[in-house]
Formats: sequence, C-alpha cells, structure tokens
Amino acid sequence: DAGITQSPRHKVTETGTPVTLRCHQTENHRYMYWYRQDPGHGLRLIHYSYGVKDTDKGEVSDGYSVSRSKTEDFLLTLESATSSQTSVYFCAISEADRAVRYFGPGTRLTVL
Amino acid sequence: QQQVKQSPQSLIVQKGGISIINCAYENTAFDYFPWYQQFPGKGPALLIAIRPDVSEKKEGRFTISFNKSAKQFSLHIMDSQPGDSATYFCAASVPSNTGKLIFGQGTTLQVKP
Repeated sequence: DAGITQSPRHKVTETGTPVTLRCHQTENHRYMYWYRQDPGHGLRLIHYSYGVKDTDKGEVSDGYSVSRSKTEDFLLTLESATSSQTSVYFCAISEADRAVRYFGPGTRLTVL
Repeated sequence: QQQVKQSPQSLIVQKGGISIINCAYENTAFDYFPWYQQFPGKGPALLIAIRPDVSEKKEGRFTISFNKSAKQFSLHIMDSQPGDSATYFCAASVPSNTGKLIFGQGTTLQVKP
C-alpha cells in the first residue's frame, strides 16, 4: 500500500464549527488530492495540489479550503461545517497529474 | 459534458458468472479511462485502465472494452468470485494539468457463492 495516512479517521462535529482533516504521505509524490464520496455521486474532487503552496479548486470546492506547506502534508479545512458536508473524505496522491492515484483509508465526517 | 454515467447502480452475480459494468461519456477530449475497485472501509484502488487508441485491454479476469464511436466503455469480470464483491468506479480524464479525474457514480457488485 502507498504510504498515505489520514487523520482523524472518524469525526463527529456540530454545525458551524471549523474542522481540519490531515493527509500525510511518505511517497514524496508531487500531486495530492482531496475527494468526497457520497452515495450516488461517486468521488468528487474538492481541491488538489501540484506542489508545495500550489493548490487549485476542484468541482465541489465551496465551503472548503486547503493548505500544503510541506510535500508530505495536505490539509483540508471546513471553515464552518454544515450538515451537507457530512461525507467520507479521501486523500489521494500521484506522481504526475495523469498517473495512478493512490487513495488513503478515508475519514468519515458527520456534521450534526 | 464533464459527466461519466455508470450503470447499473448495483449488480448481483452468481459465482463463476460474468459481471458487466458500463460507463458512458460525452466529452470526446477524455483520453484516459481507469477503473477503480473499492472494498468496504477502504480507499479505492486502481484495477485496470485503458486509453482510446485500443479497443480492449485484459488483465487476468478483468477486461475493459472500449467503443470510441459510441463513447462507451465497460468492465467485464470473468469467472466472478465472492472476493470480487466490492464497489467499482469508472473514471475519465482530459489531457491537461487540471488534476481532474471524473468518476462515475459507482456500482456495487455482490458475487453470491
């Protein structure tokens, strides 16, 4: 398995609170991605990074921000969590934009 | 136009049977079509992928068939086994540096012993 960890693995929070999810890789891959997985929607890209401090929006970026200060870490922040952000969040990495994506184990987030 | 439509949503197959999952797309700029397999509680993992310059790719019991004119591609699992029970996602990407890999909605496959 590619060296990707996500923390926390499970989180329950309340509407309006800030939440930060962490993705850590040991593969030194350039690209990192955050996806959310919801029934009937497959996986949808939230944000991605193509290098340290280089990030861009995906298809469902509203309400989310990201930061990447080191190659190995990619943080996803929900500034003010809403119930619609209840989902399973996956981090992924790849050596190049069009190379294989390796996914982390996921974080199940519940916003009450 | 950026969508990838996947069917069926769920599939039940007997052990030893053939599982077939279909995907359709509109954007003719897509040029890379991977399939991912996901077991419960795990992240998706690349299963097999194809580029549109070939009509078929086979890896073991898994085959992708690609019909460029119809803008459709499908995954065939031959001799399906209970261990193949998982959720399968097709995906597509364009030749750009956008990071966008568009996923289908997913198919949950159950292989009965």
